[in-house]
Amino acid sequence: AQKVTQAQTEISVVEKEDVTLDCVYETRDTTYYLFWYKQPPSGELVFLIRRNSFDEQNEISGRYSWNFQKSTSSFNFTITASQVVDSAVYFCALSEGSNTGKLIFGQGTTLQVKP
Amino acid sequence: DTGVSQDPRHKITKRGQNVTFRCDPISEHNRLYWYRQTLGQGPEFLTYFQNEAQLEKSRLLSDRFSAERPKGSFSTLEIQRTEQGDSAMYLCASSLVGTGETQYFGPGTRLLVL
Repeated sequence: AQKVTQAQTEISVVEKEDVTLDCVYETRDTTYYLFWYKQPPSGELVFLIRRNSFDEQNEISGRYSWNFQKSTSSFNFTITASQVVDSAVYFCALSEGSNTGKLIFGQGTTLQVKP
Repeated sequence: DTGVSQDPRHKITKRGQNVTFRCDPISEHNRLYWYRQTLGQGPEFLTYFQNEAQLEKSRLLSDRFSAERPKGSFSTLEIQRTEQGDSAMYLCASSLVGTGETQYFGPGTRLLVL
């Protein structure tokens, strides 16, 4: 069965600290896709990144970076020099290589960045 | 380019009433998904359409739930005889069909059943 685990329920940091959000997934498929979404208090899920199972290169986008490791089935997300505007719930999600495209989400990590 | 829109944004109803939510996807997207999110949890898949065809329904979708996408554009999700356990955020997402395609989400409809 497919599963996504975000073990950190809540994280609190002070502005400018670096923070890493963990994501561990389970799937039997060899082809799958991993995503991160941000959900601010307004409620709308905002797409951040998509990764396929064949691309293990880490990615950096501004203050955001992602570390994908198939060997440990992890897809971790790091925010460098956090800002108050980064405060939100962050979700990791898995889509298998089947045709449906449906997403399986983790329970989310609530990040609070204090000034 | 407008994003996914949902209407209403909030709905309060009494137990036993019927409610209907609407989702307008990004115009060129041919896939449309419905998810439900309860407090403190990640979204859970309910159903999805490719064009006007409903291709999969989750076991979460009881007989009181029905979804349509009559012309392959907007979609409606109806809940009949609402129960307090139906209180949740109902999220709609759309995408272009393709393996592992990115889904873009609307703002959601928050339902409270009293």
